[in-house]
Amino acid sequence: NAGVTQTPKFRILKIGQSMTLQCTQDMNHNYMYWYRQDPGMGLKLIYYSVGAGITDKGEVPNGYNVSRSTTEDFPLRLELAAPSQTSVYFCASRKNRGRYEQYFGPGTRLTVT
Amino acid sequence: EDQVTQSPEALRLQEGESSSLNCSYTVSGLRGLFWYRQDPGKGPEFLFTLYSAGEEKEKERLKATLTKKESFLHITAPKPEDSATYLCAVQAINFGNEKLTFGTGTRLTIIP
Repeated sequence: NAGVTQTPKFRILKIGQSMTLQCTQDMNHNYMYWYRQDPGMGLKLIYYSVGAGITDKGEVPNGYNVSRSTTEDFPLRLELAAPSQTSVYFCASRKNRGRYEQYFGPGTRLTVT
Repeated sequence: EDQVTQSPEALRLQEGESSSLNCSYTVSGLRGLFWYRQDPGKGPEFLFTLYSAGEEKEKERLKATLTKKESFLHITAPKPEDSATYLCAVQAINFGNEKLTFGTGTRLTIIP
């Protein structure tokens, strides 16, 4: 299993541009998550999904959107990028009910200038 | 509000010098406490889940313990490859809650 994969690894955006961060998992996990990690701060939950077609907001959802059309994929959309969205983004997934540990992808480093 | 505080922020040890990392937490009912290892430029790697006070988990040179207010990650006779940032997170037991609250980590450096 490849686990959780993310693309791209790095990206530079200009203010106002849009992009989609891709996340795929091959572990047949129902639950998937998007986090951002900023220097000196703990990881913050942006959005999560408990299964295909079901998504919900986390702590810091403003400026982002998600969709979940398949079990494997959970893309994160940034509309009208702002410098405050400069961060490292991690996707994670976990098994179904009863196992709560989350498994993380390698991350996407995004810079908005 | 759930909170996690990790100490120290950074720790430098000689190879073979054992020590402990601390994770203090407040949560309205604990579903689980999680330890992760994060190498520079990589995603967090899952180490342990602890569910109730008194529980202990071990993996190679690492042992995690849990009380009602804190968790310790004990590292015994560390090697340079144990150098990483260690993250602690908690999840509250509220129905439908999927949020992990993370600490800011302890950056561990093992000097050969």
